[in-house]
Amino acid sequence: NAGVTQTPKFRVLKTGQSMTLLCAQDMNHEYMYWYRQDPGMGLRLIHYSVGEGTTAKGEVPDGYNVSRLKKQNFLLGLESAAPSQTSVYFCASSRPRGGRNQPQHFGDGTRLSIL
Amino acid sequence: GENVEQHPSTLSVQEGDSAVIKCTYSDSASNYFPWYKQELGKGPQLIIDIRSNVGEKKDQRIAVTLNKTAKHFSLHITETQPEDSAVYFCAASRNNFNKFYFGSGTKLNVKP
Repeated sequence: NAGVTQTPKFRVLKTGQSMTLLCAQDMNHEYMYWYRQDPGMGLRLIHYSVGEGTTAKGEVPDGYNVSRLKKQNFLLGLESAAPSQTSVYFCASSRPRGGRNQPQHFGDGTRLSIL
Repeated sequence: GENVEQHPSTLSVQEGDSAVIKCTYSDSASNYFPWYKQELGKGPQLIIDIRSNVGEKKDQRIAVTLNKTAKHFSLHITETQPEDSAVYFCAASRNNFNKFYFGSGTKLNVKP
């Protein structure tokens, strides 16, 4: 009964380094999302995917790339990390049902610091 | 795009009192409004949601009301308990790949 699992849970990077955040879900959900959470700003959508092999930009996509090679996994990449990307990153998933919006299920986040 | 505003940013109540958090949205096409609770170090967890064809929904001590004309919706928690202390987020969504637009969050502190 894992739900949405994010790895790693914590990471510290130096400016200019690259890294990949992994999100895995075991609920067979079609849709997956990456958000960043900053103090006083709620959750902002970075990228999302509506199915295997598809991705699309959200509100704040600059500096990030994503891939969805398998239905259960959604990867978020930082090619050249910047201090402005210090944040808590959340992955979520949901399943379309009858054309009606459904709840998103969240992982417990990755806390990323860029020095 | 959609803009969701949430108030207050912090709320402190005495155990047993009621708490009310309010959100407004800008896109009249939004038709789904979930509320999430986030505890320290955890991801957001859905606590209640409401669709645009309903004006009110209740689940034990939690209720949500929706005013489509005024484009605002509210979370009501009655008989608050210390374990209700957390950050609460509202969100709005329309039928476009289930994308959510979140408010900025309310930190609720329930004092024993």
